Amino acid sequence: EAQVTQNPRYLITVTGKKLTVTCSQNMNHEYMSWYRQDPGLGLRQIYYSMNVEVTDKGDVPEGYKVSRKEKRNFPLILESPSPNQTSLYFCASSYGTSGGAGEQYFGPGTRLTVT
Amino acid sequence: GENVEQHPSTLSVQEGDSAVIKCTYSDSASNYFPWYKQELGKRPQLIIDIRSNVGEKKDQRIAVTLNKTAKHFSLHITETQPEDSAVYFCAAFNAGGTSYGKLTFGQGTILTVHP
Repeated sequence: EAQVTQNPRYLITVTGKKLTVTCSQNMNHEYMSWYRQDPGLGLRQIYYSMNVEVTDKGDVPEGYKVSRKEKRNFPLILESPSPNQTSLYFCASSYGTSGGAGEQYFGPGTRLTVT
Repeated sequence: GENVEQHPSTLSVQEGDSAVIKCTYSDSASNYFPWYKQELGKRPQLIIDIRSNVGEKKDQRIAVTLNKTAKHFSLHITETQPEDSAVYFCAAFNAGGTSYGKLTFGQGTILTVHP
């Protein structure tokens, strides 16, 4: 089954404790992206990747890191989480032409709480 | 960078009525405009999209129009049904310059269809 998976789905952590949220897709998509969703603010892009070893900042990259060592995986790293990073996070991938201008397939989301 | 404004933030209609959601964008390098529907507790899913070389696209009860000169695009839902109730997001994909590959979402519209 074609899908985007994220782990963990729920995470409660404390300020400053490094964490990684994994994202994997099995559709051979080149474009992958991370978003955070907060009430009233919509979906905001954190980082995106047009291909392996290529990553770019989205609109809210501060406090986050990513890597794209393999086509299927795009982990999101919070080196020192803070309470303002409490949010719902979505990973997505796209097969679109022109580097991602196509349907975004979203993962199920990760609800992160930082206390 | 790109800025996408979406209006209204909430929309309430009676079943059978039409609903219109409008978005404006700022960067003329954007060339792909998708619309996503997010039901409560679920991930966003693409419902329709349009590319900059097209002015209008229709899929059964939903349609999208694009005015490149004015930099705005709209979602039209006709004969609304209660199952159309959800949050709708517009987005703009940047295909040029230093923001190539960035996908910017609007703030979302909560649509409620009353039976």
